[in-house]
Amino acid sequence: AQSVTQPDIHITVSEGASLELRCNYSYGATPYLFWYVQSPGQGLQLLLKYFSGDTLVQGIKGFEAEFKRSQSSFNLRKPSVHWSDAAEYFCAVGVSGGYQKVTFGTGTKLQVIP
Amino acid sequence: DGGITQSPKYLFRKEGQNVTLSCEQNLNHDAMYWYRQDPGQGLRLIYYSQIVNDFQKGDIAEGYSVSREKKESFPLTVTSAQKNPTAFYLCASSTGQTTNEKLFFGSGTQLSVL
Repeated sequence: AQSVTQPDIHITVSEGASLELRCNYSYGATPYLFWYVQSPGQGLQLLLKYFSGDTLVQGIKGFEAEFKRSQSSFNLRKPSVHWSDAAEYFCAVGVSGGYQKVTFGTGTKLQVIP
Repeated sequence: DGGITQSPKYLFRKEGQNVTLSCEQNLNHDAMYWYRQDPGQGLRLIYYSQIVNDFQKGDIAEGYSVSREKKESFPLTVTSAQKNPTAFYLCASSTGQTTNEKLFFGSGTQLSVL
């Protein structure tokens, strides 16, 4: 079975600074990889996903993520953080067969300071 | 606007009581899912349904029940057998055709025990 680790529970960055959120997965083959964002008291919104092709994936709100097979990682990046990016971010890993086979990470809470 | 509606936003359960969380979607999606979210634990799958009149247990189904009598609706009942029901519950849907598609989430129901 696959697993996913988000090693950072909480991250604080200054507005305008760059951001990198870490995600490591465990799976024998190439998985499906996702990043979702959750604002307080709300559902999750898909930022981006990877399942094949170019390993650098562009998403919404200026986010990107890079799939590195050698490191089993799928880190999320943003060059300049805005105060509205404060939220919780979830990495997820899945295999073929439907979303019932997707495993979500424990999340990283992002705080943005002025 | 198409989307997923969860109600109520807040729900309180008394000891020994069953409560039902509502989830309705107008996206014409075949697949629907219920997740439980606890702080620091990410999302865990309770039940999922890939088609009307059919549903399957997820990773933590004990103490929960569901029905899928209509394509648009997937209510979750938290029974008295669920001894630790306090959590944030999220309903989601997808077309169900592939794993690499987008998952749409409702805005959640916070369930607490009185």
